[in-house]
Amino acid sequence: DIQMTQSPSSLSASVGDRVTITCRASQSIMTYLSWYQQRPGTAPKLLIYAASSLESGVPSRFSGSGSGTDFTLTISSLQPEDFGTYYCQQNYGSPLTFGGGTKVETK
Amino acid sequence: QVHLMESGGGVVQPGKSLRLSCEVSASTFSSSAIHWVRQGPGKGLEWVAVISYDGSNTYYGDSAKGRFAISRDTSKNTVHLEMTSLRDEDTAIYYCATPRDGSEEAPFDNWGHGTWVTVSS
Repeated sequence: DIQMTQSPSSLSASVGDRVTITCRASQSIMTYLSWYQQRPGTAPKLLIYAASSLESGVPSRFSGSGSGTDFTLTISSLQPEDFGTYYCQQNYGSPLTFGGGTKVETK
Repeated sequence: QVHLMESGGGVVQPGKSLRLSCEVSASTFSSSAIHWVRQGPGKGLEWVAVISYDGSNTYYGDSAKGRFAISRDTSKNTVHLEMTSLRDEDTAIYYCATPRDGSEEAPFDNWGHGTWVTVSS
């Protein structure tokens, strides 16, 4: 199975900050990598797919990059509605494993 | 927009069985794989199982292998997750989700609201 490791596990940031979350795969997954946002008490929401493609309706302050084993999710200017937990997921092969999550909290 | 509605959750004793259901929009059901993902209290997301659009392929996560079975009921546009030999660690909210292009390994762009399963004596 492909293991996905996210860092950091949590971070504190202020509105307007630039936030970067990283995700590492245990083997190359090319660009088969997705990012999800989960607000408390709600289902996850797809933000980015294929490592860098923005899902329809997702604000352009979200961006993704990377290929192979190392990936990054960047929020260019954190907004109040962006606080929550972010997960990466590999879509290279079954089982479609998730990273452990990164909780973004207000500073 | 795809509509997904989970049901069947509840409190069950360890060792017992439970069947979850996911009703899917008719327009999507016959052309899309359906996944189950779970999340324990205060924990991260764990992929559980997937069934292909036609039911010919099923795959399971390690925690589900040998205990859970996923199936499709085409007459009701519903996917079932039959869970047996339940353990305390199966306590979680269970979501069903559909992939953005219908294929088994694509990212999940539609999710239900989830159904809670609590395994407790």
